Amino acid sequence: DTAVSQTPKYLVTQMGNDKSIKCEQNLGHDTMYWYKQDSKKFLKIMFSYNNKELIINETVPNRFSPKSPDKAHLNLHINSLELGDSAVYFCASTQPGQPTGELFFGEGSRLTVL
Amino acid sequence: AQSVTQPDIHITVSEGASLELRCNYSYGATPYLFWYVQSPGQGLQLLLKYFSGDTLVQGIKGFEAEFKRSQSSFNLRKPSVHWSDAAEYFCAVTYSGFQKLVFGTGTRLLVSP
Repeated sequence: DTAVSQTPKYLVTQMGNDKSIKCEQNLGHDTMYWYKQDSKKFLKIMFSYNNKELIINETVPNRFSPKSPDKAHLNLHINSLELGDSAVYFCASTQPGQPTGELFFGEGSRLTVL
Repeated sequence: AQSVTQPDIHITVSEGASLELRCNYSYGATPYLFWYVQSPGQGLQLLLKYFSGDTLVQGIKGFEAEFKRSQSSFNLRKPSVHWSDAAEYFCAVTYSGFQKLVFGTGTRLLVSP
């Protein structure tokens, strides 16, 4: 069973479109994250939710809107896509109470904006 | 601000040779340190972690890392590299009460025959 699963794995779209990426974890974790990995492989945190509540928002443009319907799901919706949004987006989860950082990652969703 | 430096963008090692990947972190508090590996087209997998105690930690796939507070370093080592070790390696740090993991820029490991 996949612990952290993301869909879609690949997404190709035009500038200006709106798209969503979904993430689900079956680990029973309370905290979930979105990370963005750019073309140089740099990983930067975007958002973190703890039990459906936003706890980290790293000055991400408001075109990006995360939504957590329950603690097992964290979706990422992106409006008005721009070329610079092209990246691999990783979802991750962890369990508070353990030292933060032992993240479990999904396989990533590669977004290409044309 | 908290940061992690991986000074080597890429390293090439012959199969069977030893490996050391460098990682330095900033900030004075006691860090929690991690090494993750990313194979092509895959997510990140935890290799090993340091929270406290013994400064030499063992991980999966034969990797180990040593925490040296005096040098603010957490270098990753493997005595004999296999071709399947070719991947991107990320060092990461967080701290008690700090709710996010900060990653270094990664080191790409190439393994030559």
